[in-house]
Amino acid sequence: EAQVTQNPRYLITVTGKKLTVTCSQNMNHEYMSWYRQDPGLGLRQIYYSMNVEVTDKGDVPEGYKVSRKEKRNFPLILESPSPNQTSLYFCASSLSSDYGYTFGSGTRLTVV
Amino acid sequence: AQSVTQLGSHVSVSEGALVLLRCNYSSSVPPYLFWYVQYPNQGLQLLLKYTSAATLVKGINGFEAEFKKSETSFHLTKPSAHMSDAAEYFCAVSFRNPNTGNQFYFGTGTSLTVIP
Repeated sequence: EAQVTQNPRYLITVTGKKLTVTCSQNMNHEYMSWYRQDPGLGLRQIYYSMNVEVTDKGDVPEGYKVSRKEKRNFPLILESPSPNQTSLYFCASSLSSDYGYTFGSGTRLTVV
Repeated sequence: AQSVTQLGSHVSVSEGALVLLRCNYSSSVPPYLFWYVQYPNQGLQLLLKYTSAATLVKGINGFEAEFKKSETSFHLTKPSAHMSDAAEYFCAVSFRNPNTGNQFYFGTGTSLTVIP
């Protein structure tokens, strides 16, 4: 089944403790992206990647890192999480601009 | 600059009534347009898309949307609302940027409530 898989689905952590949210797609898509969703703000792009080893900042990149060492994987790294990073995170991949995104199921992160 | 505006962050309709969710876009190049639906505690699911073929696009669950270039709109409609339609709906525009690849812009979402 074609899909984007995120893990974990839920995560509660403490301020400053490094964490990684994994994202993997099995559709051979070149384009991958991370979004955060907050009430009233919709979806805001954190980082995106056009292909392996090619990443760039989105609208809200502060406090996040990404890597794209393989085409299928695009992990999101929070080196020192803070409470304002409490949010719902989505990974998405796309074949092309007219194809649309395929989204993962989301990761609900709480930083206390 | 490209952007998407969804008019109305909350819409309530009675069961069986017409659903109309509004979306206007701004794009300097021919856009691709999408509607996504998000059910509670789930990810976003593609509802329908416009990619420069027919201007009236039919999607899943009885939804459809019409691309109107003159009005820069892509409103989502459904003739008769069902309780199961209660969800968050997102309009999105995308285009191909030769420098940065695919660029997607999402609206802030419209929460649809269906009243029994």
